[in-house]
Amino acid sequence: KAGVTQTPRYLIKTRGQQVTLSCSPISGHRSVSWYQQTPGQGLQFLFEYFSETQRNKGNFPGRFSGRQFSNSRSEMNVSTLELGDSALYLCASSLVVREASGLYNEQFFGPGTRLTVL
Amino acid sequence: KNQVEQSPQSLIILEGKNCTLQCNYTVSPFSNLRWYKQDTGRGPVSLTIMTFSENTKSNGRYTATLDADTKQSSLHITASQLSDSASYICVVNSKAAGNKLTFGGGTRVLVKP
Repeated sequence: KAGVTQTPRYLIKTRGQQVTLSCSPISGHRSVSWYQQTPGQGLQFLFEYFSETQRNKGNFPGRFSGRQFSNSRSEMNVSTLELGDSALYLCASSLVVREASGLYNEQFFGPGTRLTVL
Repeated sequence: KNQVEQSPQSLIILEGKNCTLQCNYTVSPFSNLRWYKQDTGRGPVSLTIMTFSENTKSNGRYTATLDADTKQSSLHITASQLSDSASYICVVNSKAAGNKLTFGGGTRVLVKP
C-alpha cells in the first residue's frame, strides 16, 4: 500500500497570504490528523477528522482550519499567515490495530509540508 | 497539565555504542506510550507502543521500557548504527478527551563513525 502523501512538500508564502495543504491517507484509513512541528515547540496537534467530521481540535487560532472529503483526503488551510506559522506540517492517517495487549489507534505519518512564511 | 518531558535534548554517540533515552510524563489517565523515530525531513515512524501492563518491548535493536508507577519510559538503542541518527519522540495517549496525544520535545541522536 502507498503511504500517506502530502502536497506540496515545500511552500514559501508571505505574511498575510493564505495557504492550503493537502493530505491523502493510506487507502482504507478514515481518520486523518494534522500536526504542526517547530524546533521550539515540537509536535503540536491541530485537529483530527474522521468520516468528514472534525473529531478533535487542538489549541490553535481560528486561522487554522481543515476539512475532509468523502474519499478521506484532507486539506488544511491557514489564513492571514504570520511569520510564526513557518513550520513543518505533518498529516497522519490512522487505523485501529490489534496487538496482544489490546486495540490501538496506530498513526502513520506523511513526509510533511515545509511552510516558510516571509 | 498533561506533559511529556524527554532527556537529553541531544546526544552524540560513536557507532557501535549503546545509548538510552528518557521520557517522563504526567499524562493522566494513561492509555499507552509510543516511541517514534523521525529522520530529518521525514515524518515520524512508530518504533513501539506500550500499555501500562507492559514493562518492556523490543523492535530490533530498539528496546523500550515502561514504569507506569513512576511514569517513566526509556528507549535503549543497542549497537548503534549511522542510520540511527534521528530524532526520537515519546508520545503519550490519554484515555480522556477523545484520546489526544501529548508529544515530548524529542531527543536528537547523532551517531558518528
